[in-house]
Amino acid sequence: EAGVTQFPSHSVIEKGQTVTLRCDPISGHDNLYWYRRVMGKEIKFLLHFVKESKQDESGMPNNRFLAERTGGTYSTLKVQPAELEDSGVYFCASSQVFGGRIDEQFFGPGTRLTVL
Amino acid sequence: DAKTTQPNSMESNEEEPVHLPCNHSTISGTDYIHWYRQLPSQGPEYVIHGLTSNVNNRMASLAIAEDRKSSTLILHRATLRDAAVYYCILRGYSANAGGTSYGKLTFGQGTILTVHP
Repeated sequence: EAGVTQFPSHSVIEKGQTVTLRCDPISGHDNLYWYRRVMGKEIKFLLHFVKESKQDESGMPNNRFLAERTGGTYSTLKVQPAELEDSGVYFCASSQVFGGRIDEQFFGPGTRLTVL
Repeated sequence: DAKTTQPNSMESNEEEPVHLPCNHSTISGTDYIHWYRQLPSQGPEYVIHGLTSNVNNRMASLAIAEDRKSSTLILHRATLRDAAVYYCILRGYSANAGGTSYGKLTFGQGTILTVHP
């Protein structure tokens, strides 16, 4: 079974440009999460989808970040316009839960974003 | 989420057991204790979780103190592949999670484990 995949693996853009990151979760997983680690900091939660709905957006840093999840399958995270402080590694994770049990989150390899 | 405290780094020799400690003195009664690890250049990976009782799986064991204010992740025989950053995470039920999961993971600094050949 394929794991969580993310595209691209690395993106280098200039300040002010737009970048779109994509995450394909494990098939059948309703929960999809975005996290990021900026330089020298801890991994931070960004947002949580349940199917196509945004369940928790409390970690989104500002309105330059827009996340979507089309039809409850893959998700995109757009940064527009990108700023220098957006540089870091963006992780996607997915999970499935049955009967309210604790879920194990499966992470993708991450997208390394460099804003120059 | 309640805070956890872990040593910044630990070292071990290959084939030896490793005990990774975690303090969580402000844990609430419904918080689960999770461990994830991040291998170099990879995303985090689930290791184990528990609530009150000790837990074992194919990767590791989790020993939870009786008062639940601390826990220890045990790798029974460290291999070079176990070199990673290990995160101890408390996870409580989140109303924001919509009733479908315990929601987000809150990562701390973690413990960098070095395994020597």
